[in-house]
Amino acid sequence: DTGVSQDPRHKITKRGQNVTFRCDPISEHNRLYWYRQTLGQGPEFLTYFQNEAQLEKSRLLSDRFSAERPKGSFSTLEIQRTEQGDSAMYLCASSPSDMEAFFGQGTRLTVV
Amino acid sequence: AQKVTQAQTEISVVEKEDVTLDCVYETRDTTYYLFWYKQPPSGELVFLIRRNSFDEQNEISGRYSWNFQKSTSSFNFTITASQVVDSAVYFCALSEPFSGTYKYIFGTGTRLKVLA
Repeated sequence: DTGVSQDPRHKITKRGQNVTFRCDPISEHNRLYWYRQTLGQGPEFLTYFQNEAQLEKSRLLSDRFSAERPKGSFSTLEIQRTEQGDSAMYLCASSPSDMEAFFGQGTRLTVV
Repeated sequence: AQKVTQAQTEISVVEKEDVTLDCVYETRDTTYYLFWYKQPPSGELVFLIRRNSFDEQNEISGRYSWNFQKSTSSFNFTITASQVVDSAVYFCALSEPFSGTYKYIFGTGTRLKVLA
């Protein structure tokens, strides 16, 4: 597999439930990013990992959101107590050093 | 503040027409990178090109060409002889290395519809 993989592709959840998304970056890419994209908008930065260290978080990432990248490989993004406003496409991307980022197909979250 | 503006929300052309997608950016830094990505209905953002701020040479790749002009802070994208498969949303993005994250600031995208 040579691309960024995200799981699940779609998630429908009830308001108030917790959800977790997984991202498997391209092997040996030390940089990993999470973005959120709402309908008709461009992706917005959420957080950045360099290897296992989370080095930057956007103010969009409220305290209900948490991300991890144990051992600097795959990453998870958890949303607790989901709200309807969390409905969006969550995109993961990885890159080596300062080169262009490669994106996964995203996880589309619908909160009902 | 950093900002990317794609004023064209949607463009429709007939197959074989040429089309230009506009991108205007704002940044305080002298070192930055500009990108174009294509987002087909499947959702995955597909990398098209990266340009650094010190390289103003225009680039051509097949039917695609890019015009980078620092004087007007623009990085426009032209598709020559458009095809139906070019239908997608196209995003322009800005990245600045000063923070070390190289995170992207995206425009709102331009939806291109190529009609057969």
